[in-house]
Amino acid sequence: DAGITQSPRHKVTETGTPVTLRCHQTENHRYMYWYRQDPGHGLRLIHYSYGVKDTDKGEVSDGYSVSRSKTEDFLLTLESATSSQTSVYFCATQGGGARENQPQHFGDGTRLSIL
Amino acid sequence: QKEVEQNSGPLSVPEGAIASLNCTYSDRGSQSFFWYRQYSGKSPELIMFIYSNGDKEDGRFTAQLNKASQYVSLLIRDSQPSDSATYLCAARGYNTDKLIFGTGTRLQVFP
Repeated sequence: DAGITQSPRHKVTETGTPVTLRCHQTENHRYMYWYRQDPGHGLRLIHYSYGVKDTDKGEVSDGYSVSRSKTEDFLLTLESATSSQTSVYFCATQGGGARENQPQHFGDGTRLSIL
Repeated sequence: QKEVEQNSGPLSVPEGAIASLNCTYSDRGSQSFFWYRQYSGKSPELIMFIYSNGDKEDGRFTAQLNKASQYVSLLIRDSQPSDSATYLCAARGYNTDKLIFGTGTRLQVFP
């Protein structure tokens, strides 16, 4: 949807290792978002970007950092992965224009397991 | 804490019936509302959105918004087994590009 590619799609890693997830979009959308989805919590915003090099924190940003060096790519980094960060991670994008008319579109997700 | 509340379900309806999914929100300044469908193991996909009071129809789907009651609903007419999924409601607050999601309602349509 909306030309959003997340990589990797699945990853298993060990506690304490750094992990980087990539979101690539081909729609030239201004806004990009990283969410995590856990049972009982729904989708929670980790970080988002409103332009190249412009990012801000969401509600669950501790332990995560992001970077956006070009419009099409938004990277999410877990500096030192913990088991509590085991989750499904979704990237979303949103175009510019009047906010009420702009939905977010989601990538296929990354299933991350931290042992 | 701005919240979007949904009954987790499951909501079970027979094939061909109308399914009614409900959502309430706490931020009175919320401007627009979005309904997503999520099949198990898949990503959320947009069904429709609404930002004016009243009804908005798109095929078998109708979104209803009542800002005075802080209530949004999604009606699915002629429900099919393929509509069985979790439905997520999301709200966008005033002057923000962030969405607040509910935890979703699981819908089961049985033949």
